[in-house]
Amino acid sequence: VQLVESGGGVVQPGESLRVSCAASGFNFIHYGIHWVRQAPGKGLEWVAFIQRDGSNEEYADSVKGRFSISRDNSKNTVYLQMSSLKAEDTALYYCARDNNYWAFDFWGQGTLLIVAS
Amino acid sequence: QSALTQPPSASGSPGQSVTISCTGTSSDVGAYHYVSWYQQHPGKAPKLMIYEVSQRPSGVPDRFSGSKSGNTASLTVSGLRAEDEADYYCDSYAGSDKWVFGGGTKLTVL
Repeated sequence: VQLVESGGGVVQPGESLRVSCAASGFNFIHYGIHWVRQAPGKGLEWVAFIQRDGSNEEYADSVKGRFSISRDNSKNTVYLQMSSLKAEDTALYYCARDNNYWAFDFWGQGTLLIVAS
Repeated sequence: QSALTQPPSASGSPGQSVTISCTGTSSDVGAYHYVSWYQQHPGKAPKLMIYEVSQRPSGVPDRFSGSKSGNTASLTVSGLRAEDEADYYCDSYAGSDKWVFGGGTKLTVL
């Protein structure tokens, strides 16, 4: 099982960015995928979840209305589209697989987003 | 979605046992059997240690155990080893496809 995030970078407040999570080594369509972030020196924060078939998405209150999660099962990839970015969105963004028991059993190494002017 | 409450730090000597608590509410920890625990070493991604309150994934030593009573879940590490020194986070399903983490506990092996 491997999850590889990409697309992080440095953006200014108010800008948008899309990060990706490429999955391999397992049957992608059988698993929901989460995004979890960790601000520098801080704890983990659940951000978003998408069901295995993309039928449902949910978001933390802190990002609802600004972030959008999607998946392309033909490419084994999950995306997180982030808009109206704020300084407080600065974090390492991890994607993680849901083990079908509402826990995150495999994690990527993360992609870093820095929002700064 | 308030974070679950964990003590900021815990410690124990090699061979001893240490228990880390995780307190939520009747809407998350108290409502569901879906509490999990993660170990994170510096600069590394988190690792699942316990799921569904007390289940261990393959490869996790049986020195790690989990339990729950009411709105509080607990992780116990028995027979402490130097490599157990890390940050530990609890997490609970909170209904409606939402999840909430604890603030994390830094475990020090003295």
